[in-house]
Amino acid sequence: AQSVTQLGSHVSVSEGALVLLRCNYSSSVPPYLFWYVQYPNQGLQLLLKYTSAATLVKGINGFEAEFKKSETSFHLTKPSAHMSDAAEYFCAVSDQQGAQKLVFGQGTRLTINP
Amino acid sequence: DTGVSQDPRHKITKRGQNVTFRCDPISEHNRLYWYRQTLGQGPEFLTYFQNEAQLEKSRLLSDRFSAERPKGSFSTLEIQRTEQGDSAMYLCASSKDVNTEAFFGQGTRLTVV
Repeated sequence: AQSVTQLGSHVSVSEGALVLLRCNYSSSVPPYLFWYVQYPNQGLQLLLKYTSAATLVKGINGFEAEFKKSETSFHLTKPSAHMSDAAEYFCAVSDQQGAQKLVFGQGTRLTINP
Repeated sequence: DTGVSQDPRHKITKRGQNVTFRCDPISEHNRLYWYRQTLGQGPEFLTYFQNEAQLEKSRLLSDRFSAERPKGSFSTLEIQRTEQGDSAMYLCASSKDVNTEAFFGQGTRLTVV
């Protein structure tokens, strides 16, 4: 069985500060890992995904994430937060490269302070 | 490419009533997925289709829930005898095949009163 734990249901940072959203996973098979963003009353948009090609994955909007097998982590970072980054972020795991049957974490709400 | 479309966007229904939601995937996307998202939680997988075939159903999909994709294009999700616990956002997603990204619709928010 696969599972995802997102540490911190709510993260608040100042505009221009580093964003760090934490995700730890559990998987009995080599995982495929994803980060999605959800704006209010919207569907989910894929930010980036790890599919074993490279441990450091770059995504859209300046986000990146690093896969660390030894720590079973896939934390999301952005060097400088922007007001438009305020949203809900979900980490997800799958046993397939595509987004079939994703197992999501509970989400982290990111607030940006001016 | 107009994206994944879901209808309606919002639905309020009385407990015990039946409701049906529709999802129109991106054209030529063979795979279609349904997820449910309750307040403050991440989405949970319900079921998925490969063309018209329903390949897997989560145990979350009780016998009051039924999903169809009759011609391998749009899909419907029906909930019979709704309960307050069914209140959630129902998300649909589609992908071209098993190895490609799934695109999500904006969801249908169901409120059972």
